[in-house]
Amino acid sequence: GAGVSQSPRYKVAKRGQDVALRCDPISGHVSLFWYQQALGQGPEFLTYFQNEAQLDKSGLPSDRFFAERPEGSVSTLKIQRTQQEDSAVYLCASSLDPGTSGRDFYEQYFGPGTRLTVT
Amino acid sequence: AQTVTQSQPEMSVQEAETVTLSCTYDTSESDYYLFWYKQPPSRQMILVIRQEAYKQQNATENRFSVNFQKAAKSFSLKISDSQLGDAAMYFCAYEEGNAGNMLTFGGGTRLMVKP
Repeated sequence: GAGVSQSPRYKVAKRGQDVALRCDPISGHVSLFWYQQALGQGPEFLTYFQNEAQLDKSGLPSDRFFAERPEGSVSTLKIQRTQQEDSAVYLCASSLDPGTSGRDFYEQYFGPGTRLTVT
Repeated sequence: AQTVTQSQPEMSVQEAETVTLSCTYDTSESDYYLFWYKQPPSRQMILVIRQEAYKQQNATENRFSVNFQKAAKSFSLKISDSQLGDAAMYFCAYEEGNAGNMLTFGGGTRLMVKP
C-alpha cells in the first residue's frame, strides 16, 4: 500500500520567501506529526495533529511556522519569511488512532522528507 | 524534559561481524517506549525495533536485538551478521507511554559496513 508522501522533495527558497510543504499521510491514519531535522542531527518535534485538531504545537520554533490539516488528512507546513536557520529536512509521520483507553502501540510511519535550503 | 543521547557519532563494522550502538536517555516517567530507527541516504526513517519499558525481556527482531537496562536508562542496539545494507544513520528514540506522543530522538550514529 502507499506510504506517507511529501512534496516537494527539494525546495530552494531565497531568504524572506514563504514556503509551503505538503504531507499526505497513510489513508485512515488519524495522527500526524511534523519533525525538523537539521543537517547531521536527529529529528526534532514540531507539531502534532489528531484528525484536524492541532493538539500540540510546542515545537514550532517561531510564529513564522504554521501548520494546518483542515480536513483531517493532508497537512501543510508553512514557513513565512524564511531564514537561513530554517534550512533542514522536514519530516512528516502518521499513525493510527491512538485510542481512548489503555495503551496500544501505534507505529509512526515516516515520509521521505522535504529538504529545504534557504539561500 | 526527556533527553536521548547517542555518544558514538560514527561506528564501523566488518561485514558479517557484530556491532553494538549505544544510547542513554533521561526521563522521570515509568511508562514509555524506546525505539531504534534506521535512516538510509533516501532519508526515509524505518523502524528497526521497539522496546516497551514495562517489559523486562529484551526485544529481538531477526539480526537486531537490544540490551535494555531500565535502572541505568541505557538502550543499546546489537546488529549481528552485519550486511552492507545495514549501512545508514541509526537513531535512538523515546516516546512517553500515552498514545499520540511525539518521539524524542538522539543525535544519531552513522554506521559504516566494510566488505
